[in-house]
Amino acid sequence: EAGVAQSPRYKIIEKRQSVAFWCNPISGHATLYWYQQILGQGPKLLIQFQNNGVVDDSQLPKDRFSAERLKGVDSTLKIQPAKLEDSAVYLCASSLGTGTFGELFFGEGSRLTVL
Amino acid sequence: GESVGLHLPTLSVQEGDNSIINCAYSNSASDYFIWYKQESGKGPQFIIDIRSNMDKRQGQRVTVLLNKTVKHLSLQIAATQPGDSAVYFCAENGIEQAGTALIFGKGTTLSVSS
Repeated sequence: EAGVAQSPRYKIIEKRQSVAFWCNPISGHATLYWYQQILGQGPKLLIQFQNNGVVDDSQLPKDRFSAERLKGVDSTLKIQPAKLEDSAVYLCASSLGTGTFGELFFGEGSRLTVL
Repeated sequence: GESVGLHLPTLSVQEGDNSIINCAYSNSASDYFIWYKQESGKGPQFIIDIRSNMDKRQGQRVTVLLNKTVKHLSLQIAATQPGDSAVYFCAENGIEQAGTALIFGKGTTLSVSS
């Protein structure tokens, strides 16, 4: 079974530029998550989708971050304009169900460096 | 702030020893916990999970213990191998949030020397 796919793996941009990350979850997984992992820290949830609806985006900096999951499958996370503190690994994860128990499957992540 | 944390940022052991990684959580209402392993340059990988109605669960070479009285979670790795070297995170389901997302602690880096 194919895992969670993310691209690009690495991206370097100047501050105030924009960037977009793409995620393809495991086939059949209803729930999709974007996490931000700053170096030396644990992943922090940015947004959670169930099918194509947003379940939780309370920690998404909406003035510069946006995310969508059209058709309930692939998702994109955009940052515009980027700040230095946005340098991090952006992890996409998916899970099969919508209950309160269950493993999250993570992709390899997209590493962003903002100069 | 973080609702899930780990006692020690680093742990160094010899190959063949048993490792114990600890985690303290603050939300007494959390009812599901997971341990993840993250190798350099990779995403977190599931190790083992436990529900709050259990106090112990065993997997292959790993055991998770849950003490709800003191809100403590531990991961025991038997006969630690060099391939176990990684960062280990405990995570809990954020029931104060809508949905099934996990809240992660800061992680413990396990180094295994041969």
